[in-house]
Amino acid sequence: DSGVTQTPKHLITATGQRVTLRCSPRSGDLSVYWYQQSLDQGLQFLIHYYNGEERAKGNILERFSAQQFPDLHSELNLSSLELGDSALYFCASSVDRGPETQYFGPGTRLLVL
Amino acid sequence: AQTVTQSQPEMSVQEAETVTLSCTYDTSESNYYLFWYKQPPSRQMILVIRQEAYKQQNATENRFSVNFQKAAKSFSLKISDSQLGDTAMYFCAFNGNNDMRFGAGTRLTVKP
Repeated sequence: DSGVTQTPKHLITATGQRVTLRCSPRSGDLSVYWYQQSLDQGLQFLIHYYNGEERAKGNILERFSAQQFPDLHSELNLSSLELGDSALYFCASSVDRGPETQYFGPGTRLLVL
Repeated sequence: AQTVTQSQPEMSVQEAETVTLSCTYDTSESNYYLFWYKQPPSRQMILVIRQEAYKQQNATENRFSVNFQKAAKSFSLKISDSQLGDTAMYFCAFNGNNDMRFGAGTRLTVKP
């Protein structure tokens, strides 16, 4: 158990809908990262938040947005969902904002029908 | 931009044998970390081992060790005494300034 929690574990929805994925980092960690892993693919970095502020963006679509709250939990919002958005979405956390170890949550499996 | 390359999509090894997974990366940064993560069928991402670029000594964690060649930008993972539970996807990852990049992965199968 990495100490990073993600909810829900599974999510099934329809095209055009909007969903919110939630992540709680390890106690003491200030950075939260979001990744997308499509079937049999590597992990794609989406976005990084540090202590409530956006630090870096990767391959994140405009239909996706994220935020980190004062209690340091983070939410990833996916809207106007398409079939291709079906994937495993990981959250990871680390203590600080520099190059260091990231600990991953169990992921949220999103299926868009 | 940083890139991470894993040139072996699939590998297999007999139980108790040793296997080496390859990884190369490209970066102009001087301060970075390198990682190997394991993803079993449960799809949980599990940290196997990490290497700080400023350290010359190769990292070791029990049966797992790395061969870090900084000048060659190479970072291979050696698994000794392979066990059935080592069967998984293995991802090499580079972490520089706030941007973790992953390789495409190597699917390792340990055969009894």
